[in-house]
Amino acid sequence: AQSVTQPDIHITVSEGASLELRCNYSYGATPYLFWYVQSPGQGLQLLLKYFSGDTLVQGIKGFEAEFKRSQSSFNLRKPSVHWSDAAEYFCAVGNYGQNFVFGPGTRLSVLP
Amino acid sequence: DTAVSQTPKYLVTQMGNDKSIKCEQNLGHDTMYWYKQDSKKFLKIMFSYNNKELIINETVPNRFSPKSPDKAHLNLHINSLELGDSAVYFCASSQAGTSDQTQYFGPGTRLTVL
Repeated sequence: AQSVTQPDIHITVSEGASLELRCNYSYGATPYLFWYVQSPGQGLQLLLKYFSGDTLVQGIKGFEAEFKRSQSSFNLRKPSVHWSDAAEYFCAVGNYGQNFVFGPGTRLSVLP
Repeated sequence: DTAVSQTPKYLVTQMGNDKSIKCEQNLGHDTMYWYKQDSKKFLKIMFSYNNKELIINETVPNRFSPKSPDKAHLNLHINSLELGDSAVYFCASSQAGTSDQTQYFGPGTRLTVL
Protein backbone atom coordinates (compact mmCIF):
# COMPACT_ATOMS: atom_id res chain seq x y z
CA ALA A 1 0.00 0.00 0.00
CA GLN A 2 1.10 3.52 -0.64
CA SER A 3 2.35 5.51 2.32
CA VAL A 4 4.18 8.73 3.01
CA THR A 5 6.20 9.58 6.08
CA GLN A 6 7.45 12.94 7.18
CA PRO A 7 9.76 12.14 10.07
CA ASP A 8 9.80 15.64 11.53
CA ILE A 9 6.57 16.76 13.15
CA HIS A 10 7.90 20.23 13.98
CA ILE A 11 11.01 22.08 12.87
CA THR A 12 12.23 25.47 14.06
CA VAL A 13 14.79 27.46 12.12
CA SER A 14 16.09 30.99 12.32
CA GLU A 15 15.25 33.44 9.59
CA GLY A 16 17.94 33.32 6.92
CA ALA A 17 18.97 29.77 7.75
CA SER A 18 18.70 26.92 5.30
CA LEU A 19 15.88 24.40 5.48
CA GLU A 20 15.37 20.77 4.58
CA LEU A 21 12.09 18.95 5.17
CA ARG A 22 12.17 15.21 4.77
CA CYS A 23 9.71 13.03 2.92
CA ASN A 24 9.90 9.28 2.39
CA TYR A 25 7.38 7.24 0.49
CA SER A 26 6.40 3.67 -0.17
CA TYR A 27 4.93 3.07 -3.60
CA GLY A 28 4.75 0.13 -5.97
CA ALA A 29 5.43 2.05 -9.16
CA THR A 30 7.09 5.27 -10.22
CA PRO A 31 5.27 7.86 -8.18
CA TYR A 32 4.17 11.36 -8.83
CA LEU A 33 5.40 13.45 -5.92
CA PHE A 34 4.15 16.75 -4.58
CA TRP A 35 4.84 19.28 -1.88
CA TYR A 36 2.03 21.50 -0.65
CA VAL A 37 2.12 24.31 1.90
CA GLN A 38 -0.72 25.29 4.21
CA SER A 39 -0.50 28.65 5.95
CA PRO A 40 -2.58 29.09 9.11
CA GLY A 41 -6.27 29.14 8.30
CA GLN A 42 -5.62 28.68 4.60
CA GLY A 43 -5.99 25.98 1.99
CA LEU A 44 -3.22 23.95 0.43
CA GLN A 45 -0.99 25.61 -2.13
CA LEU A 46 1.17 23.59 -4.51
CA LEU A 47 4.87 24.33 -4.07
CA LEU A 48 6.30 21.91 -6.62
CA LYS A 49 5.82 18.53 -8.21
CA TYR A 50 7.81 15.72 -9.79
CA PHE A 51 6.47 13.50 -12.54
CA SER A 52 9.56 12.46 -14.49
CA GLY A 53 12.81 13.78 -15.93
CA ASP A 54 15.22 15.93 -13.98
CA THR A 55 15.21 14.74 -10.39
CA LEU A 56 15.83 18.23 -9.02
CA VAL A 57 12.68 20.30 -9.36
CA GLN A 58 12.22 23.98 -8.72
CA GLY A 59 9.09 25.40 -7.21
CA ILE A 60 7.58 28.64 -6.12
CA LYS A 61 8.86 30.85 -3.30
CA GLY A 62 12.45 29.68 -3.79
CA PHE A 63 11.80 26.04 -2.85
CA GLU A 64 13.32 23.04 -4.56
CA ALA A 65 13.08 19.29 -4.02
CA GLU A 66 15.14 16.33 -5.11
CA PHE A 67 13.75 12.92 -6.01
CA LYS A 68 16.03 10.09 -4.96
CA ARG A 69 14.63 6.79 -6.13
CA SER A 70 17.24 4.72 -4.29
CA GLN A 71 16.23 6.31 -1.00
CA SER A 72 12.50 6.63 -1.77
CA SER A 73 12.79 10.25 -0.75
CA PHE A 74 11.62 13.61 -1.99
CA ASN A 75 13.09 16.18 0.39
CA LEU A 76 12.19 19.83 0.22
CA ARG A 77 14.87 22.49 0.54
CA LYS A 78 15.23 26.22 0.71
CA PRO A 79 18.59 28.01 1.04
CA SER A 80 17.34 30.93 3.12
CA VAL A 81 14.10 30.85 5.07
CA HIS A 82 11.87 33.91 5.43
CA TRP A 83 9.49 34.53 8.34
CA SER A 84 6.57 34.17 5.92
CA ASP A 85 7.56 30.54 5.29
CA ALA A 86 6.19 29.53 8.69
CA ALA A 87 3.42 27.07 7.83
CA GLU A 88 2.52 23.39 7.62
CA TYR A 89 4.17 21.45 4.81
CA PHE A 90 2.69 18.31 3.28
CA CYS A 91 4.33 15.78 1.02
CA ALA A 92 2.00 13.70 -1.17
CA VAL A 93 2.39 10.75 -3.51
CA GLY A 94 0.11 9.56 -6.28
CA ASN A 95 0.06 8.24 -9.78
CA TYR A 96 -2.04 8.26 -12.90
CA GLY A 97 -5.59 7.43 -11.92
CA GLN A 98 -4.66 6.83 -8.29
CA ASN A 99 -5.54 8.63 -5.10
CA PHE A 100 -3.16 11.00 -3.46
CA VAL A 101 -1.74 9.88 -0.15
CA PHE A 102 -0.59 12.69 2.07
CA GLY A 103 2.07 12.60 4.73
CA PRO A 104 1.22 13.76 8.25
CA GLY A 105 2.77 17.17 7.69
CA THR A 106 5.72 19.09 9.15
CA ARG A 107 5.10 22.32 10.98
CA LEU A 108 7.76 24.93 10.32
CA SER A 109 8.39 27.72 12.80
CA VAL A 110 10.74 30.58 11.95
CA LEU A 111 12.60 32.54 14.61
CA PRO A 112 13.33 36.22 13.96
CA ASP B 1 -10.16 34.58 -10.16
CA THR B 2 -10.55 31.83 -7.62
CA ALA B 3 -9.83 28.42 -9.13
CA VAL B 4 -11.51 26.27 -6.47
CA SER B 5 -13.98 27.92 -4.13
CA GLN B 6 -15.95 26.62 -1.17
CA THR B 7 -18.85 27.99 0.81
CA PRO B 8 -19.22 28.57 3.63
CA LYS B 9 -15.76 29.17 5.05
CA TYR B 10 -17.00 28.56 8.60
CA LEU B 11 -19.95 26.47 9.71
CA VAL B 12 -21.06 26.12 13.33
CA THR B 13 -24.02 23.88 14.05
CA GLN B 14 -25.64 21.65 16.63
CA MET B 15 -25.41 17.87 16.83
CA GLY B 16 -28.10 16.14 14.86
CA ASN B 17 -28.49 18.87 12.25
CA ASP B 18 -28.08 18.40 8.51
CA LYS B 19 -25.73 20.70 6.61
CA SER B 20 -24.19 21.13 3.17
CA ILE B 21 -20.90 22.49 1.93
CA LYS B 22 -20.59 23.68 -1.64
CA CYS B 23 -17.59 23.52 -3.95
CA GLU B 24 -17.06 24.98 -7.39
CA GLN B 25 -14.05 24.90 -9.71
CA ASN B 26 -13.46 26.99 -12.83
CA LEU B 27 -10.42 25.09 -14.04
CA GLY B 28 -12.33 22.91 -16.47
CA HIS B 29 -11.28 19.80 -14.55
CA ASP B 30 -13.33 16.63 -14.72
CA THR B 31 -12.44 15.15 -11.34
CA MET B 32 -13.26 16.62 -7.94
CA TYR B 33 -12.52 15.45 -4.41
CA TRP B 34 -13.47 15.96 -0.80
CA TYR B 35 -10.86 15.65 1.93
CA LYS B 36 -11.21 15.80 5.70
CA GLN B 37 -8.46 17.37 7.79
CA ASP B 38 -8.64 16.46 11.45
CA SER B 39 -7.40 18.40 14.45
CA LYS B 40 -3.91 16.91 14.00
CA LYS B 41 -3.78 18.25 10.44
CA PHE B 42 -4.00 14.76 8.95
CA LEU B 43 -5.56 14.82 5.47
CA LYS B 44 -7.69 11.94 4.33
CA ILE B 45 -9.61 11.59 1.11
CA MET B 46 -13.34 11.02 1.47
CA PHE B 47 -14.69 10.99 -2.06
CA SER B 48 -13.77 11.67 -5.63
CA TYR B 49 -16.06 12.30 -8.59
CA ASN B 50 -15.12 11.89 -12.22
CA ASN B 51 -17.53 13.17 -14.83
CA LYS B 52 -20.32 13.23 -12.25
CA GLU B 53 -19.81 9.64 -11.20
CA LEU B 54 -18.48 8.52 -7.85
CA ILE B 55 -15.31 6.58 -8.43
CA ILE B 56 -13.92 6.36 -4.92
CA ASN B 57 -15.72 6.15 -1.62
CA GLU B 58 -13.27 5.74 1.21
CA THR B 59 -15.30 4.04 3.94
CA VAL B 60 -16.89 7.18 5.28
CA PRO B 61 -20.21 6.99 7.14
CA ASN B 62 -23.23 7.04 4.87
CA ARG B 63 -24.34 10.21 6.65
CA PHE B 64 -21.97 11.89 4.20
CA SER B 65 -23.25 12.13 0.66
CA PRO B 66 -21.48 13.91 -2.18
CA LYS B 67 -23.62 15.37 -4.92
CA SER B 68 -22.35 16.64 -8.24
CA PRO B 69 -24.90 18.53 -10.38
CA ASP B 70 -22.25 19.06 -13.07
CA LYS B 71 -18.53 18.56 -13.44
CA ALA B 72 -17.74 22.04 -12.06
CA HIS B 73 -19.54 21.45 -8.77
CA LEU B 74 -19.23 18.89 -6.00
CA ASN B 75 -21.29 19.49 -2.89
CA LEU B 76 -21.04 17.60 0.37
CA HIS B 77 -24.18 16.94 2.37
CA ILE B 78 -23.92 15.68 5.93
CA ASN B 79 -26.88 14.25 7.83
CA SER B 80 -27.27 13.92 11.59
CA LEU B 81 -24.05 15.71 12.43
CA GLU B 82 -21.91 14.30 15.24
CA LEU B 83 -19.22 15.86 17.40
CA GLY B 84 -16.57 13.83 15.58
CA ASP B 85 -17.47 15.46 12.30
CA SER B 86 -15.82 18.67 13.47
CA ALA B 87 -12.90 19.21 11.10
CA VAL B 88 -11.78 21.24 8.11
CA TYR B 89 -13.16 19.95 4.83
CA PHE B 90 -11.26 20.64 1.63
CA CYS B 91 -12.47 20.37 -1.91
CA ALA B 92 -9.97 19.75 -4.72
CA SER B 93 -9.99 19.17 -8.44
CA SER B 94 -7.75 17.67 -11.11
CA GLN B 95 -7.88 16.63 -14.74
CA ALA B 96 -7.96 12.91 -15.42
CA GLY B 97 -6.47 11.41 -18.56
CA THR B 98 -3.43 13.65 -18.58
CA SER B 99 0.09 13.28 -17.27
CA ASP B 100 -0.48 16.16 -14.84
CA GLN B 101 -2.18 14.70 -11.80
CA THR B 102 -1.89 17.87 -9.74
CA GLN B 103 -4.81 18.49 -7.41
CA TYR B 104 -5.82 22.07 -6.76
CA PHE B 105 -7.40 22.80 -3.41
CA GLY B 106 -10.05 25.14 -2.18
CA PRO B 107 -9.63 27.29 0.94
CA GLY B 108 -11.43 24.85 3.21
CA THR B 109 -14.58 24.88 5.31
CA ARG B 110 -14.13 24.69 9.07
CA LEU B 111 -17.05 22.74 10.50
CA THR B 112 -17.69 22.91 14.24
CA VAL B 113 -20.36 20.67 15.72
CA LEU B 114 -21.56 21.66 19.22
